[in-house]
Amino acid sequence: AQSVTQLDSHVSVSEGTPVLLRCNYSSSYSPSLFWYVQHPNKGLQLLLKYTSAATLVKGINGFEAEFKKSETSFHLTKPSAHMSDAAEYFCVVSDRQKDSNYQLIWGAGTKLIIKP
Amino acid sequence: ETGVTQTPRHLVMGMTNKKSLKCEQHLGHNAMYWYKQSAKKPLELMFVYNFKEQTENNSVPSRFSPECPNSSHLFLHLHTLQPEDSALYLCASSQDGEAGNTIYFGEGSWLTVV
Repeated sequence: AQSVTQLDSHVSVSEGTPVLLRCNYSSSYSPSLFWYVQHPNKGLQLLLKYTSAATLVKGINGFEAEFKKSETSFHLTKPSAHMSDAAEYFCVVSDRQKDSNYQLIWGAGTKLIIKP
Repeated sequence: ETGVTQTPRHLVMGMTNKKSLKCEQHLGHNAMYWYKQSAKKPLELMFVYNFKEQTENNSVPSRFSPECPNSSHLFLHLHTLQPEDSALYLCASSQDGEAGNTIYFGEGSWLTVV
């Protein structure tokens, strides 16, 4: 069965330091993977996605993620945190089902806190 | 601006009221979704419409009634709701067949049931 695990419910970093948000998944087929960001009182915004092209994916706002099949991971990183990065981040797996429909599996979310 | 517009952004309604949430997508997609996001709970998929046909209904109570008149518009009709239905309701759309089935969300409608 497919699943997504975001290993940290909260991550706290100082402004200007690197960010690492961890995501592990399990999938029966070749998945697509996404990171979404949700700022306070806002909807969900697509940050980046992996769909079987380059394993290192660059997204908006300086974020990137690397798909590592051997580790079944898709961790989100950013070299230098900014106060505006404070938000909740969701890792999502999209798997093609036997009936050719896609199923989205959502992680529980990681709240990123930026300390001044 | 995500290309998915939801109205109203905020709604307060009594338990005996009837109201509707509206969603419009300007992306040319053929699939639309309603999600419910409650505090401290995972995101819940409620309904999926593909080419205007409902393809998924995740055991949602009948007090929530979706309507999809065309592939660009989606409504969620609300009646006799309960206080526990207070949540952020998110509309989303995608293009069926696009690699990975990327979905794009609206800003959400905050619903408070009193």
